[in-house]
Amino acid sequence: GAVVSQHPSWVICKSGTSVKIECRSLDFQATTMFWYRQFPKQSLMLMATSNEGSKATYEQGVEKDKFLINHASLTLSTLTVTSAHPEDSSFYICSASGSAGNQETQYFGPGTRLLVL
Amino acid sequence: GDSVTQMEGPVTLSEEAFLTINCTYTATGYPSLFWYVQYPGEGLQLLLKATKADDKGSNKGFEATYRKETTSFHLEKGSVQVSDSAVYFCALMHQGAQKLVFGQGTRLTINP
Repeated sequence: GAVVSQHPSWVICKSGTSVKIECRSLDFQATTMFWYRQFPKQSLMLMATSNEGSKATYEQGVEKDKFLINHASLTLSTLTVTSAHPEDSSFYICSASGSAGNQETQYFGPGTRLLVL
Repeated sequence: GDSVTQMEGPVTLSEEAFLTINCTYTATGYPSLFWYVQYPGEGLQLLLKATKADDKGSNKGFEATYRKETTSFHLEKGSVQVSDSAVYFCALMHQGAQKLVFGQGTRLTINP
């Protein structure tokens, strides 16, 4: 139980285009979803926290107009990287907490690797 | 601000060797401490956790003890297996909050 999926698993796009990444909780209701970014050989950095039906809360230094987060249902959150540039290339990971286990436990997706050319 | 520091990897061991992956933290108050494991191609999974000083978390033969005096949460296993090859992340979270602060991860490879 408590499976989180991400789609796509990897994406290559041209500079200036927008890319949407989906995060789904497959067998539980995710009241809260988190988006992380991971650079090579570095730790996961929290970008934003979103609660279903509410606006996301962004961490300091994360551009909310650049990284659009939508959490429209209890099983789906999306991250859209708008007007992507090469410096946005990274590994993006989502996690979810909710009806599976206690609220403190986050279940992680496998990640999406983005390469912007 | 809060931070977590793990020993640099990669770590390569032979099967049945003893494993220690060091983790220290900087935080105000008394955070909960976690170890997550990421197997190839999969998402991070919670391996074990401890919520207060002197607590010991354990799972799958792994153990870690919350040491307030040394602000540490070192991960240990007495006899590793090839299937333990993965990336291990130490993390903290303040109780009542949901924000996880991660270390940089340690890649572990176990050779048969």
